[in-house]
Amino acid sequence: DTGVSQDPRHKITKRGQNVTFRCDPISEHNRLYWYRQTLGQGPEFLTYFQNEAQLEKSRLLSDRFSAERPKGSFSTLEIQRTEQGDSAMYLCASSLAGRREGRFEQFFGPGTRLTVL
Amino acid sequence: AQSVAQPEDQVNVAEGNPLTVKCTYSVSGNPYLFWYVQYPNRGLQFLLKYITGDNLVKGSYGFEAEFNKSQTSFHLKKPSALVSDSALYFCAVRDRPGSARQLTFGSGTQLTVLP
Repeated sequence: DTGVSQDPRHKITKRGQNVTFRCDPISEHNRLYWYRQTLGQGPEFLTYFQNEAQLEKSRLLSDRFSAERPKGSFSTLEIQRTEQGDSAMYLCASSLAGRREGRFEQFFGPGTRLTVL
Repeated sequence: AQSVAQPEDQVNVAEGNPLTVKCTYSVSGNPYLFWYVQYPNRGLQFLLKYITGDNLVKGSYGFEAEFNKSQTSFHLKKPSALVSDSALYFCAVRDRPGSARQLTFGSGTQLTVLP
């Protein structure tokens, strides 16, 4: 399967614990995005990378959240000191950059569902 | 700021009938518009996009959408619905040319196709 993959698919944690999610984008895609989706809502943008550079961060991304893409390939999203309000589906997407056909659409992974008890 | 509205939380249609899922948008410039579909416990699947050119765009699984600049709408349509089309549909927008690369999504419309 050459699509976007995310690991783990489900994570249950206790309030106050740290969690880390991983996203592997489509191999030739140099843009990578993180979104958060809560029940009954559309995805909300969290942050975006072009190669290894984190170019944009949403105000939703509090200082407990950190994302990295150290080699411009896979990315990790860490949430420190989790709160019950962090319970959501965390979606990763990737896209092409530059003047190439197909550079506009983002392709999404299956998501990581986080439950904070 | 960019925004998207999907005025209907739920749309029900009989199998074989045409379906429409509505979307209106607000952007400061010219929009890039997208439709995605989400099945239970799955990520979003890309259906189609409008970037420029013809106002009627065709996408996957027989879906199409019409861009209407004067009404700031981008409604999703299909001439003949299938039970397997039942899913959650999201409209999304991105400003053009704008520095923001992220998509802004609507709240989604649950489509149910009745056999």
